[in-house]
Amino acid sequence: DAGVIQSPRHEVTEMGQEVTLRCKPISGHNSLFWYRQTMMRGLELLIYFNNNVPIDDSGMPEDRFSAKMPNASFSTLKIQPSEPRDSAVYFCASMRGNQPQHFGDGTRLSIL
Amino acid sequence: DQQVKQNSPSLSVQEGRISILNCDYTNSMFDYFLWYKKYPAEGPTFLISISSIKDKNEDGRFTVFLNKSAKHLSLHIVPSQPGDSAVYFCAASADTGNQFYFGTGTSLTVIP
Repeated sequence: DAGVIQSPRHEVTEMGQEVTLRCKPISGHNSLFWYRQTMMRGLELLIYFNNNVPIDDSGMPEDRFSAKMPNASFSTLKIQPSEPRDSAVYFCASMRGNQPQHFGDGTRLSIL
Repeated sequence: DQQVKQNSPSLSVQEGRISILNCDYTNSMFDYFLWYKKYPAEGPTFLISISSIKDKNEDGRFTVFLNKSAKHLSLHIVPSQPGDSAVYFCAASADTGNQFYFGTGTSLTVIP
């Protein structure tokens, strides 16, 4: 069974550019989460969806960040325009019911 | 503000000895706690969980203890093995179907 799939694994881009991170959750999972990992704050929840509907986006740092889940098998996290302080590892996780979350291997984002 | 805290960024233990990783939380509404293990360049993977109706949960070499009055939980690994070397994240939720709050992680090194 395939796990959570994130792409790209690495992204290096210049400040001001648009960045789009992608996630394919595990089939049958009805909740999807986007996290950002930094040394200072650990794993921060950015936004999560239940049944494709955004439930809580209070963790999204600012309006430059947006997330969508157009269907049960795909989600995107977009940063526009990107800034150097957005550099981090971004994780997507999915979950079914009350089961623990399953994480993807992350996207390492570097903004120059 | 961090609702889940792991105050030890790193820990080194000799192979065969016990590893004890600690986690504190501030929200008395948290009723479900998990530990995740993370290897470099991979996403976190679920290790063990405990609900607030218990004070201990054991799975092989891994035991999680919960002290609700102190708002503290710990993960015991015994005996520790070199393959246990990883970053361990503590997470908590006020609703098993809801969002999870993660600590900043503790990097465990088991010395052969």
